[in-house]
Amino acid sequence: DAGITQSPRHKVTETGTPVTLRCHQTENHRYMYWYRQDPGHGLRLIHYSYGVKDTDKGEVSDGYSVSRSKTEDFLLTLESATSSQTSVYFCAISGLAPSEQYFGPGTRLTVT
Amino acid sequence: QQQVKQSPQSLIVQKGGISIINCAYENTAFDYFPWYQQFPGKGPALLIAIRPDVSEKKEGRFTISFNKSAKQFSLHIMDSQPGDSATYFCAATISNTGKLIFGQGTTLQVKP
Repeated sequence: DAGITQSPRHKVTETGTPVTLRCHQTENHRYMYWYRQDPGHGLRLIHYSYGVKDTDKGEVSDGYSVSRSKTEDFLLTLESATSSQTSVYFCAISGLAPSEQYFGPGTRLTVT
Repeated sequence: QQQVKQSPQSLIVQKGGISIINCAYENTAFDYFPWYQQFPGKGPALLIAIRPDVSEKKEGRFTISFNKSAKQFSLHIMDSQPGDSATYFCAATISNTGKLIFGQGTTLQVKP
């Protein structure tokens, strides 16, 4: 998984609680991405980062925020989790070529 | 205009046969078209990619065919093997943005 770890790998939480997912890379790559995967939708970009403290919104950013204080870590936060955010979340990284992306192992999040 | 449409949703092929998965896009600004392979419980893995200046790219048993005028591209898996059984995603992007737009995915089963 290209030197990418995600934590936790599985999480069950209740509606309305805050949740933070962590992506950690050892490749020193500039670009990092958060996607969600849902049946029938493929993968959809939530947020991405093009450098420390530089982030931007993706296709489905509502209800999510991100932070990147170090090159190696990219955090995804659900401020108040909803059942519609039940999904598998993948982190990806890329180096010189932003579109050549390599994915982590994923985090399965269930919001009850 | 940002959509990528992928078909079929599922595919069953006999061992040794050819698997063909098709994708269509609308945005003529897209200039990078990767395919990803995903096994259950794993993150997507970059398989092969093509740029619109060529009509075909081959890597081992995997070939991408690209038709710029029709705005379509396809993945051909020659001599399909049971180990190829996985979900395949096409994607498209404007290469310097890193914002991948994924198709809905195709679940391939190769029967022994």
